[in-house]
Amino acid sequence: DIQMTQSPSSLSASVGDRVTITCQASQDISNYLNWYQQKPGRAPKVLIYDASNLETGVPSRFSGSGSGTDFTFTISNLQPEDLATYYCQRYDNFPTFTFGPGTKVDIK
Amino acid sequence: QVTLKESGPVLVKPTETLTLTCTVSGFSLSNDRMGVNWIRQPPGKALEWLAHIFSNDEKSYSTSLKSRLTISKETSKSQVVLTMTNMDPVDTATYYCARMIWRSGELSSSYYFDYWGQGTLVTVSS
Repeated sequence: DIQMTQSPSSLSASVGDRVTITCQASQDISNYLNWYQQKPGRAPKVLIYDASNLETGVPSRFSGSGSGTDFTFTISNLQPEDLATYYCQRYDNFPTFTFGPGTKVDIK
Repeated sequence: QVTLKESGPVLVKPTETLTLTCTVSGFSLSNDRMGVNWIRQPPGKALEWLAHIFSNDEKSYSTSLKSRLTISKETSKSQVVLTMTNMDPVDTATYYCARMIWRSGELSSSYYFDYWGQGTLVTVSS
C-alpha cells in the first residue's frame, strides 16, 4: 500500500510570508494528487487538482507542483484567512482515494 | 446551486449499525461525470476516505473498513446512503459526503471532490 506523508505537520508564519508544504508518496503516483484546505469547523475545499491545476475561483497565491513521489504546495503571500489545515489526496488507485495526514498552518 | 447535506443519528451505541444519508441538489446522481463519496474525520484528526459510488453504480470502499461498509444510491430521491456495521467508540467522527467530479484531459482524467456537505458528528457511546 502506498503511504503518504506531509511535512511539516504544523507551521507558524507571518502575513505576507511564503509558505511551502510537501507531500511525499512512497511510490510513483504520477500527478494524481489534489490539495484541500480545511478551515476550523468547516468542510474541506479543493484548491489544486492534478498536482498543479488551480481550481476555478481559488486565489492565485496558491500553487502546486510536482510529479511522481514528491509534491509541493505553496502559499506565496500568506493571508490571515489562510489559517487552516491543508491535506494532500492521492487517487492513482481510482476509484479509491487516500488523504495525507495534514499540515496545520497558523498565523503568527 | 450544488448542495449536499448529511443526515442521520448523532448518537449510536457500540455494536449498532450506523445509517447516514446524503441528500444532494443541483446535480443528478445519474450524471456520468460525477460521483458521491463519504469521508470521515475523528475529532482533531485527519480526513479518512470511506466509500465512493459513481453514476453507473460502481462502488469502492476503504480497504481497512470494506467489511463494515455499504454504499448505495436512490437516484430518484437524490440520496446516497452509507451504512457502517458494528460501530465502536473509535468510529466517533464527523462524517462528510462530497461530490466527486471527473474531468477528462488529453492524456488522463482528473478526479477530485468539488463540493462537500457541512458534515454530521456521530458519537459512539453506550
